[in-house]
Amino acid sequence: SQTIHQWPATLVQPVGSPLSLECTVEGTSNPNLYWYRQAAGRGLQLLFYSVGIGQISSEVPQNLSASRPQDRQFILSSKKLLLSDSGFYLCAWSRTSGYNEQFFGPGTRLTVL
Amino acid sequence: ILNVEQSPQSLHVQEGDSTNFTCSFPSSNFYALHWYRWETAKSPEALFVMTLNGDEKKKGRISATLNTKEGYSYLYIKGSQPEDSATYLCASINAGNMLTFGGGTRLMVKP
Repeated sequence: SQTIHQWPATLVQPVGSPLSLECTVEGTSNPNLYWYRQAAGRGLQLLFYSVGIGQISSEVPQNLSASRPQDRQFILSSKKLLLSDSGFYLCAWSRTSGYNEQFFGPGTRLTVL
Repeated sequence: ILNVEQSPQSLHVQEGDSTNFTCSFPSSNFYALHWYRWETAKSPEALFVMTLNGDEKKKGRISATLNTKEGYSYLYIKGSQPEDSATYLCASINAGNMLTFGGGTRLMVKP
């Protein structure tokens, strides 16, 4: 069966510090991978998606970046965090064909102070 | 960019009540609609994937309908239970498998 892992579960970082959130998927190959953010009081916003190693598409301009160094690894990064980066970050994967649902990781709660 | 709207934003019902909420989405270039259930401290989990106009899906006491011509989907819960308390998200999907989520409906069922 497939599983998706995210870490850390919670993170408190000062403004201006760097960020690295990691997501890995087990039990499937060549998945589509996604990063979402839920800011306080808002819905889920797609940040990045990837259809393969080294292929990243960004949905919204921001000071975050994403990388996919391996088939089942997706990393969300920032060089300098802003207060507005606080939120709940979810990684998800889906199969590459059809209308298949997305499977979400446990999420990371990021607080930028 | 797709604009997916959900209403109401939140809903309080008594145990045993039946309830429903709405997801509206642009009907042009429709590909599929997903419903997810997001319980507190857990990850969103898929309830339904719906593609055809007139689709009706059911899972236990939860069911959903789809109208792709007018751009809406209803989610119904029959005989709500406290364990149904969660945020229910709908998402419209395009051909690239990208989901655009609505803001969710937060359901609270009082025992």
